[in-house]
Amino acid sequence: ETGVTQTPRHLVMGMTNKKSLKCEQHLGHNAMYWYKQSAKKPLELMFVYNFKEQTENNSVPSRFSPECPNSSHLFLHLHTLQPEDSALYLCASSQDRLAGGDEQYFGPGTRLTVT
Amino acid sequence: QQPVQSPQAVILREGEDAVINCSSSKALYSVHWYRQKHGEAPVFLMILLKGGEQKGHDKISASFNEKKQQSSLYLTASQLSYSGTYFCGTEIGYYGGSQGNLIFGKGTKLSVKP
Repeated sequence: ETGVTQTPRHLVMGMTNKKSLKCEQHLGHNAMYWYKQSAKKPLELMFVYNFKEQTENNSVPSRFSPECPNSSHLFLHLHTLQPEDSALYLCASSQDRLAGGDEQYFGPGTRLTVT
Repeated sequence: QQPVQSPQAVILREGEDAVINCSSSKALYSVHWYRQKHGEAPVFLMILLKGGEQKGHDKISASFNEKKQQSSLYLTASQLSYSGTYFCGTEIGYYGGSQGNLIFGKGTKLSVKP
């Protein structure tokens, strides 16, 4: 148990669907992150939130829309995705946005398949 | 900016040692090491800050050579539980501090056999 939970664990959606991924951290951290992990590719940072404010959008297509209502919850809203968006989506949190070596705690991920 | 990890994969017998390297072309503020088992979340192992320090716990240790912008992860007397994919994440230096994001390497798949 890492203190970071993600739901759902698996999701299959069509290209015209709208769905949301949820992440919750129980660690009292202030920074939260979304990563995409595809086969044979490194972890790709998508979004960073620090104290509920988005501080990084790593050139992510607009079909991915993050939301951070408070420091404990992070959502990733998905719409009109493409098959190449199929991947493992990982949420992570750290005490503060990395500025001196805060370790990140990862959730188990949501395995997304776009058909 | 992505760090380069080597080797891409390694197979060990229980009790053998391994070294995994992580190199960057940028001046680094820190290097983070994570291990991910199949179907599980990446788990934090350790952080090394610039200054060339070395860290370790149990039989896993790491070093950071600031001059070479390279970090090495050392696994000694490997156990079956060490199997997984090891990722290094690098923080690029910025005016004495960090740019603030982790950039991960592609990972090194380690398999420990009985």
